[in-house]
Amino acid sequence: DIQMTQSPSTLSASVGDRVTVTCRASQSVDSWLAWYQQKPGKAPKLLIYKASSLQSGVPSRFSGSGSGTEFTLTISSLQPDDFATYYCQQYNSYSRTFGQGTKVEIK
Amino acid sequence: EVQLVESGGGLVQPGGSLRLSCAASGFTFSSYWMHWVRQAPGKGLVWVSRINSDGSTTSYADSVKGRFTISRDNAKNTLYLQMNSLRAEDTAVYYCALLYSRNTHFDCWGQGTLVTVSS
Repeated sequence: DIQMTQSPSTLSASVGDRVTVTCRASQSVDSWLAWYQQKPGKAPKLLIYKASSLQSGVPSRFSGSGSGTEFTLTISSLQPDDFATYYCQQYNSYSRTFGQGTKVEIK
Repeated sequence: EVQLVESGGGLVQPGGSLRLSCAASGFTFSSYWMHWVRQAPGKGLVWVSRINSDGSTTSYADSVKGRFTISRDNAKNTLYLQMNSLRAEDTAVYYCALLYSRNTHFDCWGQGTLVTVSS
């Protein structure tokens, strides 16, 4: 099974900061990687698909990059609504795997 | 509007069984693979199972293989998860999801249903 490892687990940042979350796959997933945002008590929301494509309606301050085994999610200027937990997910195989999550907290 | 609505969660004793349902609307249910994803209290997302569009193939996480069974009724636009031999570690919110994939270019999740396994 493909394992996904995110770093850091927690990130403290201020409004306006540039934030980067990293996701590593245990084997290549090509570009079949998605990023989700989840807020407490809510279902996850798709932000990025195919590693770098922005889902419709998602603000352009979110971006994704990478391929193979190394991926990043970047928020160019953190906004109050962005404090949440972020997950990567691979969809290269019939089964899916999520990273363990990165919680973005207010500094 | 694409919508997924789970039901069937609740409190069950260890070793017991429960069947979750997910009612789909707003899209052609029979055309899409469907998934179950769970989240234990305060923990991350864990993929549980998936089923293809006609129900002929399924996959499971190792942690539930042999205990859980995913199925679907395309005539009723409903997805199911039969959970047997439940353990305390199965306690979680269970989400029904239509996940973005190479062939599915949208993503939708239900609101989740809580399963608590406790004596």
